[in-house]
Amino acid sequence: DIQMTQSPSILSASGGDRVTITCRASQDINKWLAWYQQRPGKAPKLLIQKASNLQSGVPSRFSGTGSGTEFTLTISSLQPDDFATYYCQQYKSPPWTFGQGTKVEFK
Amino acid sequence: QVQLQESGPGLVKPSESLSLTCSVSGGSISSNNYLWGWIRQPPGKGLEWIGNVHSSGSDHYNPSLMSRVTISADTSKNQFFLKLNSVTAADTAVYYCATGPLVAAGLLDSWGQGALITVSS
Repeated sequence: DIQMTQSPSILSASGGDRVTITCRASQDINKWLAWYQQRPGKAPKLLIQKASNLQSGVPSRFSGTGSGTEFTLTISSLQPDDFATYYCQQYKSPPWTFGQGTKVEFK
Repeated sequence: QVQLQESGPGLVKPSESLSLTCSVSGGSISSNNYLWGWIRQPPGKGLEWIGNVHSSGSDHYNPSLMSRVTISADTSKNQFFLKLNSVTAADTAVYYCATGPLVAAGLLDSWGQGALITVSS
């Protein structure tokens, strides 16, 4: 299985901050990486697919970069709705696997 | 926009089978272009892909659960199903159904709201 490792596990930030989350894959996954946002008590929501392609309706303050084994999700200016947990997921090779999650909390 | 809704028993006894239904609206599970799958999340923990099914009947499972799980579909009812056998407390989780494009197998672009299943006697 491909292991996905996110850092940090918890990120404390304030509204308006620029925040970056890192995701590393245990082997080359090209650009087959997705980012999801999960608010408490809700289902995950797809934000970005193929490492950098923003889903329709997702605000442009979200961006993704990377390829191979290292990827980042950046929120350019944190808004109240963005305090949530973020997961990366590889879909290069089954079983599809997720990172352990990064919780973005209010500082 | 496709919508998915899970339904199930809520509480299952250890060693018994867990059965969940995902009802799909706004889209057809007969479509050749989509995969239909299940993901679970134990309380306070991360996401685990369980498996998926295609309208052709082709299915794929996480090896960690493969010996206990079956995913099937009923195109006449526009529903697909999860059955997990011999459950233990470790199977307590929120179970989500989800879908995504076949051309990007594994990508999950629409999710149900989730169903909490507790395994307890």
